[in-house]
Amino acid sequence: DADVTQTPRNRITKTGKRIMLECSQTKGHDRMYWYRQDPGLGLRLIYYSFDVKDINKGEISDGYSVSRQAQAKFSLSLESAIPNQTALYFCATSDPRTRNGYTFGSGTRLTVV
Amino acid sequence: DAKTTQPNSMESNEEEPVHLPCNHSTISGTDYIHWYRQLPSQGPEYVIHGLTSNVNNRMASLAIAEDRKSSTLILHRATLRDAAVYYCILRDRNYGQNFVFGPGTRLSVLP
Repeated sequence: DADVTQTPRNRITKTGKRIMLECSQTKGHDRMYWYRQDPGLGLRLIYYSFDVKDINKGEISDGYSVSRQAQAKFSLSLESAIPNQTALYFCATSDPRTRNGYTFGSGTRLTVV
Repeated sequence: DAKTTQPNSMESNEEEPVHLPCNHSTISGTDYIHWYRQLPSQGPEYVIHGLTSNVNNRMASLAIAEDRKSSTLILHRATLRDAAVYYCILRDRNYGQNFVFGPGTRLSVLP
């Protein structure tokens, strides 16, 4: 099993629909992140959480919300999806006590039509 | 501002060394320089990081300029599997010291 698992891998949804992307990890890391990747723009931080009771907005949080249900689970929601939220979404975890940096999931490709 | 500047793309021949440059002129004295790479259809993966001294691991070497305003990721013998986008990253104080990923350098490896 992957250390960081994202579901679904691919999703097509209609404008205005609510959608949730899920992330679970077996690394035991306290810190979790959601990034968005658009072609040519690298990855941009949406939200991050340093522990279960800590949620912080990133660079592009508008239109998104998150829930940290447990240390191992961090979900990203689009309350009312719009076409410009079509992108590749990555979840990541990290442990500041180690030097191993971030561990990323394989991504969720979301298309809003 | 945790901004880095990298060339958009580079090309290398298989089994030759590759030097991927990165400029980070606004780096602070305590910022580590991190490198990640993203293979096709995968999430980014850790490559190497360093503070001041040159660093080596099984994947690559990191050469850091004496003034720390630039660094170079060195792949000693490129393979086809090294074709990826390589990101040079600093932490961003605006967002909890988290990583800010620029567009990176797309490395093509020719057989």
